[in-house]
Amino acid sequence: EPEVTQTPSHQVTQMGQEVILRCVPISNHLYFYWYRQILGQKVEFLVSFYNNEISEKSEIFDDQFSVERPDGSNFTLKIRSTKLEDSAMYFCASSLRGLSSYEQYFGPGTRLTVT
Amino acid sequence: GENVEQHPSTLSVQEGDSAVIKCTYSDSASNYFPWYKQELGKRPQLIIDIRSNVGEKKDQRIAVTLNKTAKHFSLHITETQPEDSAVYFCASKTPNFGNEKLTFGTGTRLTIIP
Repeated sequence: EPEVTQTPSHQVTQMGQEVILRCVPISNHLYFYWYRQILGQKVEFLVSFYNNEISEKSEIFDDQFSVERPDGSNFTLKIRSTKLEDSAMYFCASSLRGLSSYEQYFGPGTRLTVT
Repeated sequence: GENVEQHPSTLSVQEGDSAVIKCTYSDSASNYFPWYKQELGKRPQLIIDIRSNVGEKKDQRIAVTLNKTAKHFSLHITETQPEDSAVYFCASKTPNFGNEKLTFGTGTRLTIIP
């Protein structure tokens, strides 16, 4: 069964550094998402991406964040200047929206630790 | 925006008994309600979902019920087993072309006592 994949599984970075988190969504899916989960808390929506543009972003997704789908298969989340409070698990998800398919499939996550 | 509340936050159940987790949502336009199971350090995995045109859905030991009038939905797990121990999240989706974002509840840590 196809799965969403993410790399790296764990990223440690110093405050102020840039990080890029990578995701490969399921190949025929059309909608792509980033969520984050701070340890012990709920999953929070960051951004959705459809038709090569951002369709919605949350308050968390400020100017330090950006997303790209550079080559038709990868979907990346960049944090330009990391802060301590960016430490979290970041999940990519994808879905094939249609009348019969709303399911979102999550990747295994990237644990980001900012020191 | 949509707000989803979930309770209880923790639930301990004797193996073989049933577990019920409840969620309420605020946006009456929400039309899709999935439940995810998350084991420690793992990704959320979709276990069952329900759409707003259906009142109940079952899949073996798992069922979900939806009350649109009251804006709440529940997860029911029968004949619980140790491997059901995990954190369960409910979520909702409001129809919005181009954006299918999910709003999650705060999670329920379910512990099955052998």
